[in-house]
Order: sequence, then C-alpha cells, then structure tokens
Amino acid sequence: QVQLQQSGAELVKPGSSVKISCKASGYTFTSYDMHWIKQQPGNGLEWIGWIYPGNGNTKYNQKFNGKATLTADKSSSTAYMQLSSLTSEDSAVYFCARYTWYFDFWGPGTMVTVSS
Amino acid sequence: DIQMTQSPSFLSASVGDRVTINCKASQNINKYLDWYQQKHGEAPKLLIYNTNNLQTGIPSRFSGSGSGTDYTLTISSLQPEDVATYFCLQHSSRPLTFGSGTKLEIK
Repeated sequence: QVQLQQSGAELVKPGSSVKISCKASGYTFTSYDMHWIKQQPGNGLEWIGWIYPGNGNTKYNQKFNGKATLTADKSSSTAYMQLSSLTSEDSAVYFCARYTWYFDFWGPGTMVTVSS
Repeated sequence: DIQMTQSPSFLSASVGDRVTINCKASQNINKYLDWYQQKHGEAPKLLIYNTNNLQTGIPSRFSGSGSGTDYTLTISSLQPEDVATYFCLQHSSRPLTFGSGTKLEIK
C-alpha cells in the first residue's frame, strides 16, 4: 500500500535552515510528482511546489522561490525539502503529497517550529 | 494567481442534515477542482476530484458539482464522523491554490 513517511518535528533557530524528508513506499517513486504543502496553525493550506523524482525537475510557487529547495533521492525513494533563512513565518506543518492530477496520498506532516 | 473564495468558514448542522460548502474561483478553472477533508491533527484526505468524481472508498453521501467559477461540495446526510475542516483546491493553473476552509461541526 502507498505510504509517505515524514521526518520528525524540528525546533530550529531563526536564520538557520532545516531539511525535512518524505520516504515513499508501495509505488514506483520515480513515476509520480511529489508536492509539498504548508499549513500554519489555524490557517489554510499553501502550495509550495513539486518535484518529479524521475528526472529531478522542479516547479515552485513564486512565493517560495529562494525559501524552499526540493530534491529527491531515487535510491532511497525519498523526497526532501530544505527551508532556508528561517523566520517565525516559517513555523508550520509541512506535508508531502503524491500527485496524480490530485493529491491522492499525503504524508502525516512535519511540524517545524522556528524559535530562539 | 487564481483566488479561491470558500464559504461558509464555519458551519454547524445536525446529524442527518444536508450540508453544502461552496468555492468560487477568481476565473474559470474548467472543473479542475478537488475537495479534501481534514480531521483534527491529521493530513487532508481526498474526497472528490475534478468537480464530481468520488475518490475510492469515500461514502456516497459526499458529492460535488459545479462548472466555470462556482463549485459545491454536498453531504447528503451529515454523520458524526464528518466533523472536520473541508478545503477546495484548484489545479487548473500554477500555483495551485486552496480555499480557506470550512469548519464543520455537529449541532
């Protein structure tokens, strides 16, 4: 069965970077786009961007250009998102989600808290 | 960017009620509209894709309709397990954009 397993919660300092992971299983990792979505407490959902693990192509929401960097490791079927120059506005839950013209499988989310 | 205006933001209804949630796009999204359910502390779950296609395993009391800029999610007979926040998502053009959510509670 399809599963997306995300890395654990992170407490990070302002100005630093964090890299969170999303390990896929139960399907051919290289055949589906992997998207990332941000959800701040009490707020709605924001689309960050996607990566196609088959060839590494990426596309970002312009709002997250320079903030998020998406990569994928085919050997371990794992997608990564690095967030840089963190501020309190980056404190949120981040989801990875498989895309097949809709988000049919989601990871459980990784909470990132930015605090000194 | 396409703006998605979702209404209402909060809804309280009784078990067995018919419930409707609306999303209005800032431009024609050609039925590329999905609905997701998010229970507290969980990831969103796909209910309906491309306006009116029920995802596998989702109860038939959920349905979707719409075209152009206006879309609706209907729950025909509200059940206690439907307590959640519901979001619409347009995937007609990048960036993908979500509605602001409707929090549904049981009266």
